[in-house]
Amino acid sequence: EVQLVESGGALVQPGGSLRLSCAASGFTFGNYEMNWVRQTPRKGLEWISYISGGGETIYSADSVKGRFTISRDNARNSLSLEMNSLRAEDTAVYYCARLQSGKSFTSWGQGTLVTVSS
Amino acid sequence: DIQMTQSPSTLSASIGDRVTITCRASQSISSWLAWYQQKPGKAPKLLIHKASSLESGVPSRFSGSGSGTEFTLTISSLQPDDFATYYCQQYSNFWTFGQGTKVEIK
Repeated sequence: EVQLVESGGALVQPGGSLRLSCAASGFTFGNYEMNWVRQTPRKGLEWISYISGGGETIYSADSVKGRFTISRDNARNSLSLEMNSLRAEDTAVYYCARLQSGKSFTSWGQGTLVTVSS
Repeated sequence: DIQMTQSPSTLSASIGDRVTITCRASQSISSWLAWYQQKPGKAPKLLIHKASSLESGVPSRFSGSGSGTEFTLTISSLQPDDFATYYCQQYSNFWTFGQGTKVEIK
């Protein structure tokens, strides 16, 4: 069974940093492209970052470009999101999601809450 | 950026009703469209990909149609488990979601 488990969400002050992790199991992690998607009541679901199976290709949404960095460790079946210069508008539930070619996001984690507030 | 617009935002329906949700893309996305179902406190669940292909394990009362810029999700006979929020998503050029349609009990 495919499992994705996010962790690392917390309350952080504006301008602060945070690192989210996603532990994957039940599939050959390195064979799949992975993404981070966030959700807020105001803006809904927003894709924020993509990484290819081997980690060579990365895309990020303009809203997080230059502040957030996606990475992966295929040996540890782990996906990460390094978040810097956090803003109030980054407050959201963050999901990791597995991409399947031709199908879009076939598997999601349960989400982890990031709150940016002083 | 490709914008996705769903209608209606909220839909009130009864058990057994036929329900249709519409999604419009700001430019042609061919058939690169997915539909997701989300319940409160849970992650989205993929229902349909490539506009009309039912994901494994999804009940056959769900169907999708359309191509280009106009798409629909239909639930042929609404069941109690179907009260949820539904999102369309394009994956022609990166990934963009619609704002969601909440299906509530009438």
